[in-house]
Amino acid sequence: DAGVIQSPRHEVTEMGQEVTLRCKPISGHNSLFWYRQTMMRGLELLIYFNNNVPIDDSGMPEDRFSAKMPNASFSTLKIQPSEPRDSAVYFCASSPTGDTKTQYFGPGTRLLVL
Amino acid sequence: GDSVTQMEGPVTLSEEAFLTINCTYTATGYPSLFWYVQYPGEGLQLLLKATKADDKGSNKGFEATYRKETTSFHLEKGSVQVSDSAVYFCALRGPGAGSYQLTFGKGTKLSVIP
Repeated sequence: DAGVIQSPRHEVTEMGQEVTLRCKPISGHNSLFWYRQTMMRGLELLIYFNNNVPIDDSGMPEDRFSAKMPNASFSTLKIQPSEPRDSAVYFCASSPTGDTKTQYFGPGTRLLVL
Repeated sequence: GDSVTQMEGPVTLSEEAFLTINCTYTATGYPSLFWYVQYPGEGLQLLLKATKADDKGSNKGFEATYRKETTSFHLEKGSVQVSDSAVYFCALRGPGAGSYQLTFGKGTKLSVIP
């Protein structure tokens, strides 16, 4: 079975541009998480979806960040406008139905905002 | 709130040396405990887990025992290989069916030299 799929793997953009990160969770998983990883702050949970519904978005840094999950097999994280401090690795993770204790991570998107 | 403290890295060992990476936690009740591993340029992979006191998680020669009395979950391996070079993250998740958020330590970078 394929793991969590993220695209793009790398993104370089200029300050002020819109950035969209994409995630396809493992088939049959009903929980999806977006994390951000930086050297200074480590891994931070940005948002958590259950059955396509955002349950906890308290980790979203500010209004420039938004996330959607239009169906069970796709989610996006959008940054508009992007800023240099948004440079980080963004991970998507999913959990199987009935076992949200175990999260399976995608390979991440490395974002650099110039 | 919940927190995880890992030993500071980086850790450099010779091949076949014994590895210990310390992890202690602060949480209410009986959390589930995890070790994740991140190889260069990749996402986090679940290495092992333990869900109740005195449980021992094991995988690929790595072991960790859930010690409630010392609130610890130290990672050990008897003989490391160059291929074990990676960053290791200790994490916890609170008890309860509704609990979903993983709290991560800052990670410990391991380098194994031939």
